[in-house]
Amino acid sequence: DAKTTQPPSMDCAEGRAANLPCNHSTISGNEYVYWYRQIHSQGPQYIIHGLKNNETNEMASLIITEDRKSSTLILPHATLRDTAVYYCIVRSMKTSYDKVIFGPGTSLSVIP
Amino acid sequence: DADVTQTPRNRITKTGKRIMLECSQTKGHDRMYWYRQDPGLGLRLIYYSFDVKDINKGEISDGYSVSRQAQAKFSLSLESAIPNQTALYFCATSDPGGGENEQFFGPGTRLTVL
Repeated sequence: DAKTTQPPSMDCAEGRAANLPCNHSTISGNEYVYWYRQIHSQGPQYIIHGLKNNETNEMASLIITEDRKSSTLILPHATLRDTAVYYCIVRSMKTSYDKVIFGPGTSLSVIP
Repeated sequence: DADVTQTPRNRITKTGKRIMLECSQTKGHDRMYWYRQDPGLGLRLIYYSFDVKDINKGEISDGYSVSRQAQAKFSLSLESAIPNQTALYFCATSDPGGGENEQFFGPGTRLTVL
């Protein structure tokens, strides 16, 4: 499995954009980058995923570098409800291999 | 109603007791997973099942067993609970044919072994 590294914690002012970085320098060609978040002690929630193009949905944007060795999750206008632990994960999309390995993630605190 | 449910939500038990955690889903997904979460360690995969006849060990399967009774049900058992199995346990499901191939998580079971 490709591994990811994320900063353990970040702060962001309410209303500002939160930019969460992730390094995945050993990612292979068939692995996608996924982001999940976990609000205190609740089950993780899917946010977004991508392969090599930038992606956007109603929750966030995902920017993947051209060499695919790193990515950034962007929450465009952070609210207090975005305070959570954010997990960056790389996964193969092969149907026979679907394990998700979570690391410690980044604890994002949105400050009023 | 929640798509992925777990019972019980909280459980306190004693060392040596047998415990079963249950997971049910109404999403119609074939794939189901059990994770445990310890502070500062993220989630670690215990077991996963790609269909009713398929069971696979994850990263930390020692001390645990599972049963896939039906597509919708996946149970995790601790045959003889020990204190270092105190953790938050999550069940998840996924659909390999789905567009995002994301995993959907249950609300978690907080288990304390005294």
